Amino acid sequence: EVQLVESGGGLVKPGGSLRLSCAASGFTFNKYAMNWVRQAPGKGLEWVSSISDGSSYIYYGESMKGRFTITRDNAKNSVYLQMNSLRAEDTGIYYCVRDQGGPLDIWGQGTKVTVSP
Amino acid sequence: SYVLTQAPSVSVAPGKTANITCGGNNIGSKSVHWYQQRPDQAPVLAMSYNSDRPSGIPERFSGSTSGNTATLTISRVEAGDEADYYCQVWDSRGNRWVFGGGTKLTVL
Repeated sequence: EVQLVESGGGLVKPGGSLRLSCAASGFTFNKYAMNWVRQAPGKGLEWVSSISDGSSYIYYGESMKGRFTITRDNAKNSVYLQMNSLRAEDTGIYYCVRDQGGPLDIWGQGTKVTVSP
Repeated sequence: SYVLTQAPSVSVAPGKTANITCGGNNIGSKSVHWYQQRPDQAPVLAMSYNSDRPSGIPERFSGSTSGNTATLTISRVEAGDEADYYCQVWDSRGNRWVFGGGTKLTVL
């Protein structure tokens, strides 16, 4: 079964850091780009970051640049999102998503991040 | 930056047809993907490359693009189709994925 499982979410104070992890299974991980997409409470989807299959191409949403870092470890079938200088507006559910070279075809169930004093 | 515009809500009676639109500058020249998100669930790919239906998506779902509008059409709407629907394209100028604001489909 193709599966993505996120972990690492939680409650953090403004200015703090969190590292999200996503474990992939059921497919050849090193052949796919991967993304993080987030959703603030009651709001729509917002793309966060993408990383190509071999990590050569990395992109970020505008409000994440300089604060978030995406990496992957193909030997461990995992992708990560290091989030620093967190703000209240970073609160939401963070989804790990497989990139089919166009459509985002497999989504994890998400991990919840809350930034609050 | 590239912007996708969706109506916040669409309502339709069971058995009727729902048209969910997504507006963007010359969107007809792009590949548009659509996602369905039921309450308290992760999004699911509902349509890819404008009109390709992934496995598991009913034949009642279809997609099209023309000019500045992409459309996801759901025929013979059922109660189980009630969800939020998002369109998405790749903005090649900004090297970023762009989502529309989402449309909440209500089945009356």
